[in-house]
Amino acid sequence: KNQVEQSPQSLIILEGKNCTLQCNYTVSPFSNLRWYKQDTGRGPVSLTIMTFSENTKSNGRYTATLDADTKQSSLHITASQLSDSASYICVVTSSGGYNKLIFGAGTRLAVHP
Amino acid sequence: GAGVSQSPSNKVTEKGKDVELRCDPISGHTALYWYRQSLGQGLEFLIYFQGNSAPDKSGLPSDRFSAERTGESVSTLTIQRTQQEDSAVYLCASSLISGAEAFFGQGTRLTVV
Repeated sequence: KNQVEQSPQSLIILEGKNCTLQCNYTVSPFSNLRWYKQDTGRGPVSLTIMTFSENTKSNGRYTATLDADTKQSSLHITASQLSDSASYICVVTSSGGYNKLIFGAGTRLAVHP
Repeated sequence: GAGVSQSPSNKVTEKGKDVELRCDPISGHTALYWYRQSLGQGLEFLIYFQGNSAPDKSGLPSDRFSAERTGESVSTLTIQRTQQEDSAVYLCASSLISGAEAFFGQGTRLTVV
């Protein structure tokens, strides 16, 4: 069964600190993996996209990694800001015949001053 | 339009009533997804439309839920005989093609009293 699991479920850090969010997936065949940020009361917005051949990609203070062999991805946030408080959702696209987005449950990040 | 539009933004209904939620995807987007998100929970896949192909209804929780899409435009999600456990935010997303980045609407917050 195609699944995406994220950890931790929730995380609290102090402003200025770094953190890493994890995503493990069992989706096959794999097409790509995206990290989305969902602010409270809003729809998710894409942060990065990783394809099979990419190992790392940065978007400002966000750096995503992908290990296609172990089927793991991480999202690293450096020098966190209060505005980083949100849910971060890992989404894997399966290319198997009928592409569909498979969502993880998300990690709820709270950045405290 | 500029983005995915959902209506209404909020809906309060009495238990047992039927409700209809509307999604206007970004023009030209062939793929359309419906998800729901209960308070503090992750996104739950409901249904996926791709062009003129038969929709993937595997996420619909019961036969009280149905959805339609006219061509590559508007979609409606209908919930019949609403129950309190149907209370959630219903999110619609569209993407240019299957597997491409999904753009989300702001959601419809449904409350069944």
